[in-house]
Amino acid sequence: AQKITQTQPGMFVQEKEAVTLDCTYDTSDPSYGLFWYKQPSSGEMIFLIYQGSYDQQNATEGRYSLNFQKARKSANLVISASQLGDSAMYFCAMRDYGGSQGNLIFGKGTKLSVKP
Amino acid sequence: EAGVVQSPRYKIIEKKQPVAFWCNPISGHNTLYWYLQNLGQGPELLIRYENEEAVDDSQLPKDRFSAERLKGVDSTLKIQPAELGDSAVYLCASSPGGGGTDTQYFGPGTRLTVL
Repeated sequence: AQKITQTQPGMFVQEKEAVTLDCTYDTSDPSYGLFWYKQPSSGEMIFLIYQGSYDQQNATEGRYSLNFQKARKSANLVISASQLGDSAMYFCAMRDYGGSQGNLIFGKGTKLSVKP
Repeated sequence: EAGVVQSPRYKIIEKKQPVAFWCNPISGHNTLYWYLQNLGQGPELLIRYENEEAVDDSQLPKDRFSAERLKGVDSTLKIQPAELGDSAVYLCASSPGGGGTDTQYFGPGTRLTVL
């Protein structure tokens, strides 16, 4: 069965510093996608970045990058130059394209707090 | 481009009462999802629609929950009767469909409190 594990319930980072949020996953399907979402206190889930299992390069979107290590089944999110507005919950999610009909499976999330 | 719209944003009801949530997806998105998010957890899928068809409702508690997407656009999720344990955030999402990355975009959610 597919599973997403986020082992850091909470993280603190100083403004302007970089931070890495951990995510490991488990799937037996060779074709899958990994997503990161941000959920501020307002409640909306905001899509940040996507990595496909066959992508050769790590995904980047502005200050967000995904450190994809396929053999270790990890897909860590790196946020560079943290800003106060980055304080939020961050969820890692996986979608495999096999038997689960491609549904998204989410981890429990990491609460990031950026300190001024 | 307008995002996913949900209403109401907040709802407080007493147990055993019915409640309904409404969702309007991003224009042109064929796939619509309803998720349940309990406090401190990630979202969990309740039901997924491809146009009008519910293609995955395996996690929907059908004794009290129902959903519809009659014209393949907006959707309604209903709970009748509500129980204390139904207090949670109900998120709606949509995606273009048709394979590929098919990124899901979420609405702001409806926070339900059952007293």
